[in-house]
Amino acid sequence: GDSVTQMEGPVTLSEEAFLTINCTYTATGYPSLFWYVQYPGEGLQLLLKATKADDKGSNKGFEATYRKETTSFHLEKGSVQVSDSAVYFCALRTQGAQKLVFGQGTRLTINP
Amino acid sequence: DAGITQSPRHKVTETGTPVTLRCHQTENHRYMYWYRQDPGHGLRLIHYSYGVKDTDKGEVSDGYSVSRSKTEDFLLTLESATSSQTSVYFCAISESDTSGNTIYFGEGSWLTVV
Repeated sequence: GDSVTQMEGPVTLSEEAFLTINCTYTATGYPSLFWYVQYPGEGLQLLLKATKADDKGSNKGFEATYRKETTSFHLEKGSVQVSDSAVYFCALRTQGAQKLVFGQGTRLTINP
Repeated sequence: DAGITQSPRHKVTETGTPVTLRCHQTENHRYMYWYRQDPGHGLRLIHYSYGVKDTDKGEVSDGYSVSRSKTEDFLLTLESATSSQTSVYFCAISESDTSGNTIYFGEGSWLTVV
């Protein structure tokens, strides 16, 4: 079945460091890929998405490129801030699917 | 922010009692979902709806029922709450089932069964 594997956390970085959170997937067909972010005590918010191979999603300084050849959708940010501390979820959705398939989530903590 | 309101946001209930969580949306989206989030399990789909009175089971539906009598409201009922149903419950909505269509989440309902 479809699955998403995320880099295990927690991840702790200093402010202004470069961030990469790895995400790889297994899916039949051609899924769309998503990154969601969850701040403490809140729901999941869409961070960015890509719907086809080689698409790059971007938002708030975060980027991820849909790589079909490596079945990956790694999240990157050039300079993280304390306010980026949250849990990040990679997810996929296939055509006609009624659910998102989530990775386990990566907890990110940014220290000043 | 997607117009999704969940109620109650926090609830403590006793084992064996029925509990109903409500999700209300203002987006007129066709699809609505209930997920639960647990440590070590991520988010798992409980039930979903693809229209008024049209619902189906997700991957962890045992012990739960749902109803959708209006486009904007989707109710999740725990028929007889158990401690294993202590969790955070998220309602979500989507305009269509096209793979690229975003699923938007509510703020969550924290349920503790004692």
